[in-house]
Amino acid sequence: DAGVTQSPTHLIKTRGQQVTLRCSPISGHKSVSWYQQVLGQGPQFIFQYYEKEERGRGNFPDRFSARQFPNYSSELNVNALLLGDSALYLCASSLEWGALYNEQFFGPGTRLTVL
Amino acid sequence: LAKTTQPISMDSYEGQEVNITCSHNNIATNDYITWYQQFPSQGPRFIIQGYKTKVTNEVASLFIPADRKSSTLSLPRVSLSDTAVYYCLVHRGSQGNLIFGKGTKLSVKP
Repeated sequence: DAGVTQSPTHLIKTRGQQVTLRCSPISGHKSVSWYQQVLGQGPQFIFQYYEKEERGRGNFPDRFSARQFPNYSSELNVNALLLGDSALYLCASSLEWGALYNEQFFGPGTRLTVL
Repeated sequence: LAKTTQPISMDSYEGQEVNITCSHNNIATNDYITWYQQFPSQGPRFIIQGYKTKVTNEVASLFIPADRKSSTLSLPRVSLSDTAVYYCLVHRGSQGNLIFGKGTKLSVKP
């Protein structure tokens, strides 16, 4: 079975531009979460979506937005890019939301470089 | 959510057993303990998860004392490919906001 897939693998943008990152969860998984990982730090939670609804949001500015589609894939959008947005963006999928525990499976990430 | 504290780095040699201890003094009754492994430029990978006592799978063991204020990840007979960052997380059920610290950078030498 295919794991979590993310596209693109790498991306270079300039300050002020906008970027869209894409994630396809494991087949059958209905929940997708997004994390930002700056070099040398652990991943930081950005959003969680389940059944197309936002279920959680981390401490990120409104420049960050996301959505989930009927097929459970997801997009993360970042507007007005700053140099500090350079990071590895990780997508994680899990089977459900609201159950006692759902293991999160991470994708390989998208490396975003802002110049 | 409970804050976790773990060593910044550890060194080991091939074939040795490695134990990484994580403290989580404020763990709540409904919290689970999960360990993830991450290689450079890859997403974290689930290693093991537990609630209390001892859990063992094909790659690791997790020891949790009765008070659950700490946990120890045990990697038997490490190899060079076990060189990675290991994260200890305490979380409540299926909440998406897993809180990662800086993790423990394990370096395995030949």
